[in-house]
Amino acid sequence: EADIYQTPRYLVIGTGKKITLECSQTMGHDKMYWYQQDPGMELHLIHYSYGVNSTEKGDLSSESTVSRIRTEHFPLTLESARPSHTSQYLCASRGDGANVLTFGAGSRLTVL
Amino acid sequence: AQKITQTQPGMFVQEKEAVTLDCTYDTSDQSYGLFWYKQPSSGEMIFLIYQGSYDEQNATEGRYSLNFQKARKSANLVISASQLGDSAMYFCAMRPSVTGGGNKLTFGTGTQLKVEL
Repeated sequence: EADIYQTPRYLVIGTGKKITLECSQTMGHDKMYWYQQDPGMELHLIHYSYGVNSTEKGDLSSESTVSRIRTEHFPLTLESARPSHTSQYLCASRGDGANVLTFGAGSRLTVL
Repeated sequence: AQKITQTQPGMFVQEKEAVTLDCTYDTSDQSYGLFWYKQPSSGEMIFLIYQGSYDEQNATEGRYSLNFQKARKSANLVISASQLGDSAMYFCAMRPSVTGGGNKLTFGTGTQLKVEL
């Protein structure tokens, strides 16, 4: 039973479109993360947040942006999608003092 | 900076056999945590097992055990009695600080495990 939800699971869009990937968690976790994963490759951290109104860029440079207006919600936005943005995007969260990240099911984005 | 190395891009194992997936890491931190995640073809990341750098005992969770050799900087995953449902990609990961501080989980490139009849 997932406590962290990502929508859409799959998205195919054209170049230049604006898209928002939604991520919500019901565990009250302060820390949330976005990872990008190309097929068959490792995960790379692109954004993270320590709490409301806190966002930081991760190790991998990304043209996407994030916001954290509510604890449970951490959406990722691409203002103008390009084929190079085709990837899987995984959202995760972690409670204070916890070691383990809980991941959502992922959003697979294809930009034509 | 931390680095995780998984040298086995793919592994095959027969059902009911045990298999070891290799993971070595590099860090200058004294305190860190090591993780293994499973990623089926559906894409979600499933947490399997965790080992803190100061834990003296190797971690075990059901059929999963972590062979932690701190001096060699290795954290191999052992899956006993493999099942067909174990077929998936397996990622080793590390995060600095055992106590919960330190934000970034660094992943290896993964090992694709295929369990055969």
